[in-house]
Amino acid sequence: DSGVTQTPKHLITATGQRVTLRCSPRSGDLSVYWYQQSLDQGLQFLIQYYNGEERAKGNILERFSAQQFPDLHSELNLSSLELGDSALYFCASSRTGVSYNEQFFGPGTRLTVL
Amino acid sequence: AQSVTQPDIHITVSEGASLELRCNYSYGATPYLFWYVQSPGQGLQLLLKYFSGDTLVQGIKGFEAEFKRSQSSFNLRKPSVHWSDAAEYFCAVISNFGNEKLTFGTGTRLTIIP
Repeated sequence: DSGVTQTPKHLITATGQRVTLRCSPRSGDLSVYWYQQSLDQGLQFLIQYYNGEERAKGNILERFSAQQFPDLHSELNLSSLELGDSALYFCASSRTGVSYNEQFFGPGTRLTVL
Repeated sequence: AQSVTQPDIHITVSEGASLELRCNYSYGATPYLFWYVQSPGQGLQLLLKYFSGDTLVQGIKGFEAEFKRSQSSFNLRKPSVHWSDAAEYFCAVISNFGNEKLTFGTGTRLTIIP
């Protein structure tokens, strides 16, 4: 158990819908990272937040957005969902804002878009 | 752009046999290198990392990796595998300092046969 929690574990929705994925980092960790893992794209970095502020951006679509709240939990919002958004979404956390510090990964949220 | 290549998609080894998983990176300078393991239904767990210094690094679960600058490689090894080592293994790199995002390889699935 990494100490990072993600909810829900599974999510099934339809095209065009909007969903919110939630992540609670390990106690004391200030950075949250979001990753997408799919069969065709592999494991890709989406976005990083550090202490409430966006720190780094990866291959995140404009239809996706994220935020980190004062209690340091984070939410990833996915809108206008397409079939290709079906994937495993991981959240990771680390103690500081530098991404080469060890990142601890949550168990993931499996999103299925029908 | 930084990249990391894992040439073996799937490897099968017998329990008790030695293991070597290959990883090659593409970058001009020495990057930060990582190996992560993903067990079925789980998030990723850091096995080991290399930043600088001794090119042979020890990790958890009996794994080690050797950084070879001349070959741009960071191969993961274990002298004797256990059935519990069956998992997906990812090599990752951070080398674009200033936009420090983890870039993952495509992964190598390890199957252990009795």
